Amino acid sequence: NAGVTQTPKFRVLKTGQSMTLLCAQDMNHEYMYWYRQDPGMGLRLIHYSVGEGTTAKGEVPDGYNVSRLKKQNFLLGLESAAPSQTSVYFCASRWGQGVYNEQFFGPGTRLTVL
Amino acid sequence: AQSVTQPDIHITVSEGASLELRCNYSYGATPYLFWYVQSPGQGLQLLLKYFSGDTLVQGIKGFEAEFKRSQSSFNLRKPSVHWSDAAEYFCAVGARNAGNMLTFGGGTRLMVKP
Repeated sequence: NAGVTQTPKFRVLKTGQSMTLLCAQDMNHEYMYWYRQDPGMGLRLIHYSVGEGTTAKGEVPDGYNVSRLKKQNFLLGLESAAPSQTSVYFCASRWGQGVYNEQFFGPGTRLTVL
Repeated sequence: AQSVTQPDIHITVSEGASLELRCNYSYGATPYLFWYVQSPGQGLQLLLKYFSGDTLVQGIKGFEAEFKRSQSSFNLRKPSVHWSDAAEYFCAVGARNAGNMLTFGGGTRLMVKP
């Protein structure tokens, strides 16, 4: 049982390049989330999904797109990377609708945009 | 909209000393409150959560937190800190909305002196 995994762990992009971050979970969770973590700002929600085939915007969605074609995978895309997107990206998943249910986090992807 | 404030960005304590990390929240209804810990280079792990009942909540690793509605606070405590507790700690409030999202505070980085 691997929990939540993220690929890749590190990445360096040049401004204007594109990339996709992959999040996979093997816990059969319905809800999945993408966050970015910046110093002093905690984690901010980018996009989320409440089930296969659904996505919705979070607090800071601009410059990102997501897809949830399979229940176990949640992809985060950057179409044209900007230096402001330098951050650590965390994926999380949660079982069920209850907000009190624990979110399980992946180990993170550190992205640098030059 | 909900918000979380962690007033202390950095805290240093001596090993064996007691610890209190502060968290203040803003939310219109009865809140769901969480404390997460992030060890260096790792994802977030849930320490404890509160959603109803006894206002003193016990968590893993010897941590506890007390919910005080009158002060809009959910402070984290530990009676005796170990060197392995050095990490970043995040308080979060859960919202009952479409995504049942978490809103995180900015985090408190704990350093432990030998």
